[in-house]
Amino acid sequence: AQKITQTQPGMFVQEKEAVTLDCTYDTSDPSYGLFWYKQPSSGEMIFLIYQGSYDQQNATEGRYSLNFQKARKSANLVISASQLGDSAMYFCATSNTGGFKTIFGAGTRLFVKA
Amino acid sequence: DGGITQSPKYLFRKEGQNVTLSCEQNLNHDAMYWYRQDPGQGLRLIYYSQIVNDFQKGDIAEGYSVSREKKESFPLTVTSAQKNPTAFYLCASRIGTGGSTDTQYFGPGTRLTVL
Repeated sequence: AQKITQTQPGMFVQEKEAVTLDCTYDTSDPSYGLFWYKQPSSGEMIFLIYQGSYDQQNATEGRYSLNFQKARKSANLVISASQLGDSAMYFCATSNTGGFKTIFGAGTRLFVKA
Repeated sequence: DGGITQSPKYLFRKEGQNVTLSCEQNLNHDAMYWYRQDPGQGLRLIYYSQIVNDFQKGDIAEGYSVSREKKESFPLTVTSAQKNPTAFYLCASRIGTGGSTDTQYFGPGTRLTVL
């Protein structure tokens, strides 16, 4: 069975600094995807970034990058140059390729300080 | 613009009443999902549907029912059998043919409160 672990319930970061949100996963599937979502106080889940298990390079999307370490089964999200609008809950998730279920972690709440 | 809409945004229900939450998508996605989120918690899967006229129970299906008569629509009914229905409900959809198409996209959510 797939599992996602996010060990940081809350994180603080100073505006304009970088922050890393941890995510470890457990899966027996040889092919899978890893996802990060942002949930601001409005409640909507916003897709941020995707990493495929066979992708050789770490995914990047603007200020977001995914630090993928396959052997360690980790998929940490790095946010560079934090902004006040980055304050939100962040969820890591995984899905086996072509499978219909996505497993979400418990989330990390990020607070960006001015 | 393509996207997922959920209505209503806020819903109040008296105990013992059934209520139906709407979810519509114009992304031409085959798969659709319903999740429940309690305060400070992650997402729990209620039901999902891979294609029209087919759906499967998720991890917490008791007290809920769904239908998938059209590709675009996946309504969720919260029945009186659901003992603690007050929560935030999120609908999602995806193509799901592998790779980045496995990404789920979410609607804005419906906040249900039982009075």
